[in-house]
Amino acid sequence: GQQVMQIPQYQHVQEGEDFTTYCNSSTTLSNIQWYKQRPGGHPVFLIQLVKSGEVKKQKRLTFQFGEAKKNSSLHITATQTTDVGTYFCAGGGSQGNLIFGKGTKLSVKP
Amino acid sequence: EAGVAQSPRYKIIEKRQSVAFWCNPISGHATLYWYQQILGQGPKLLIQFQNNGVVDDSQLPKDRFSAERLKGVDSTLKIQPAKLEDSAVYLCASSLDRGRYEQYFGPGTRLTVT
Repeated sequence: GQQVMQIPQYQHVQEGEDFTTYCNSSTTLSNIQWYKQRPGGHPVFLIQLVKSGEVKKQKRLTFQFGEAKKNSSLHITATQTTDVGTYFCAGGGSQGNLIFGKGTKLSVKP
Repeated sequence: EAGVAQSPRYKIIEKRQSVAFWCNPISGHATLYWYQQILGQGPKLLIQFQNNGVVDDSQLPKDRFSAERLKGVDSTLKIQPAKLEDSAVYLCASSLDRGRYEQYFGPGTRLTVT
């Protein structure tokens, strides 16, 4: 079945360093969404990408959708302790559902 | 705007017992999802409803799991009988419609099977 792979599984950074997580699918995705889950919390929607090569920015966060619509990335510039959590990508499935990756757990050392 | 409500928040049962979870989605949201999230993994879709009809239940272990959304609003997910490997957080989410809509998640129910 359709799978979405996400790397790395864990990332430990010093506050102020940059962070990137990557998402790959074996099949073309209709769209991709990114979610953040704080420790003990539930996933919260960050953004959706739909178009090939699309780039969107939210303050220090930059999201990209690959030209072939099979990969995506999330880059955080100058991490802060408030960025701690697990970041999930989720690819759009054929039933209008989402296939979640396993997530990248980000820890930030002050 | 009220968010997605779930109850109970925590449940501890012994294996072979049954358990039920309840979800009330955001008002007006046609699509409702139940996910299973095992510690350290991403949410895995169990079942997706569009109004009161099932769109996708391909990953629902139907020999022990069942779900319904009778009036197209709130929903219940049941496990009978529970196994140790069912220990997880069960998340309910809703969206305005199918497809390219953001999903709003409830706080989840943490199930421990002993």
